[in-house]
Amino acid sequence: AQKITQTQPGMFVQEKEAVTLDCTYDTSDQSYGLFWYKQPSSGEMIFLIYQGSYDEQNATEGRYSLNFQKARKSANLVISASQLGDSAMYFCAMRAYNNNDMRFGAGTRLTVKP
Amino acid sequence: DVKVTQSSRYLVKRTGEKVFLECVQDMDHENMFWYRQDPGLGLRLIYFSYDVKMKEKGDIPEGYSVSREKKERFSLILESASTNQTSMYLCASSYGYRETQYFGPGTRLLVL
Repeated sequence: AQKITQTQPGMFVQEKEAVTLDCTYDTSDQSYGLFWYKQPSSGEMIFLIYQGSYDEQNATEGRYSLNFQKARKSANLVISASQLGDSAMYFCAMRAYNNNDMRFGAGTRLTVKP
Repeated sequence: DVKVTQSSRYLVKRTGEKVFLECVQDMDHENMFWYRQDPGLGLRLIYFSYDVKMKEKGDIPEGYSVSREKKERFSLILESASTNQTSMYLCASSYGYRETQYFGPGTRLLVL
């Protein structure tokens, strides 16, 4: 069974600084995708970034990058130049390619301080 | 842009009532999903559907059923609501099974 672990229930970062949100996963599947979502207080889940297990380069989307270390089964999200609007819950998720089942971590609440 | 809508943002129901949560997507996605979200537990999959009239149980299907009569619409049904079903319910859709899931705004359900 797949399991996603986010060990940081809450994180604080100063505005304009970078922050890393941790995510580790456990799977026996060889082909899978890793996802990060942002959930502001409004409740909607916003897709941020995707990394495939066979992608050789780390994914980047604007200020978001994914530090993918396959051997360690970690997929940390790095947010550069934090903004006040980045304050939200962040969820790491994984889906094996052979099924429809996407697993989510418990989430990390990020607070950006002015 | 993908748009996933849910019929209600907030609902208050009484124990024993039958509750319908509706989800509609406008991108012709094949796959649709229902999750519930509880603090500290992340999102847990209730049911998903990969085609019209097709459904599969997720991790926590007990007390729920679903209906997908049309491709764009996926309904979650609480047959007899209970207080432990008070939660945030999120609907999502994706084109293929490898593809990104796009979420609706969520429905906060309170069962009294």
